[in-house]
Amino acid sequence: QSALTQPPSASGSPGQSVAISCTGTSSDVGGYNYVSWYQQHPGKAPKLIISEVSKRPSGVPDRFSGSKSGNTASLTVSGLQTEDEADYYCSSYTGSYIWVFGGGTKLTVL
Amino acid sequence: EAQLVESGGGLVQPGESLRLSCATSGFTFSSYWMHWLRQAPGKGLVWVSRIYSDGTDTIYADSVKGRFTISRDNAKNTLYLQMNSLRVDDTAVYYCARGSYYHFDLWGQGTRVTVSS
Repeated sequence: QSALTQPPSASGSPGQSVAISCTGTSSDVGGYNYVSWYQQHPGKAPKLIISEVSKRPSGVPDRFSGSKSGNTASLTVSGLQTEDEADYYCSSYTGSYIWVFGGGTKLTVL
Repeated sequence: EAQLVESGGGLVQPGESLRLSCATSGFTFSSYWMHWLRQAPGKGLVWVSRIYSDGTDTIYADSVKGRFTISRDNAKNTLYLQMNSLRVDDTAVYYCARGSYYHFDLWGQGTRVTVSS
C-alpha cells in the first residue's frame, strides 16, 4: 500500500483558516469513511483530532473540522492559534485490515 | 484515566532481537483491538501490526511480516511486540495504540528502537 499524499507544509497567521489535503485512491480514502487525522507536537505522541472523516472526539476544539470528496480528504483549522503549530497526519483504512498514513504536514502559525 | 506505557526499546545490532511491551490501564483492555505503529527519525507514521481483542487474529505490514510478532496478555493488560532479525531500517520510535477500523484513539508515549552496528 502506498502512503497517502499530503503537502509537506502549510502556514497561516493567527485567526486565519488553513486547509490540509490528503489524497489517496478509491482503495483507501475514496473507498471508506474511515479517514482520521492526528496532531503531533515535537517529541510528543500523536493525538486523534478527527475520526471517520469529520467526527471530533470529545475535547477537541471545534476549530478543527474534516471533510472528504472522492479520493481526497481535508482537515481545516479555523481561527488559527499558536498552539496549533504541529505536524498533522491523515490515515485511512484500506481494507484487508491494513491502515495507511500520509507523509505529514508541518503547520506553521506565522 | 486511560493510559498506555511502552517499554523495552534500546540499541541493538542488525540481526538481533528485541521485545517491546505496552502496559495499559484505565480501560477494559480485553475489549479493544490494539496496534503497533512506528515513526522513523524525521519521518511520518507507519502502521505496523494489529491484534484482535481476544488475540485470535493478527496482521502485519509487509515490511515486518515474518520478523515481528504481536501478542497480548489480557490478564496482565499488556501488549507485546517481538521483533526478530532487526534491520537498520527498523530504527524508529515505536508506539502502541488502541484502535478500530475508524481510528487510533489512544497512544502511548513511544519507545525508541535503534538498530546499528
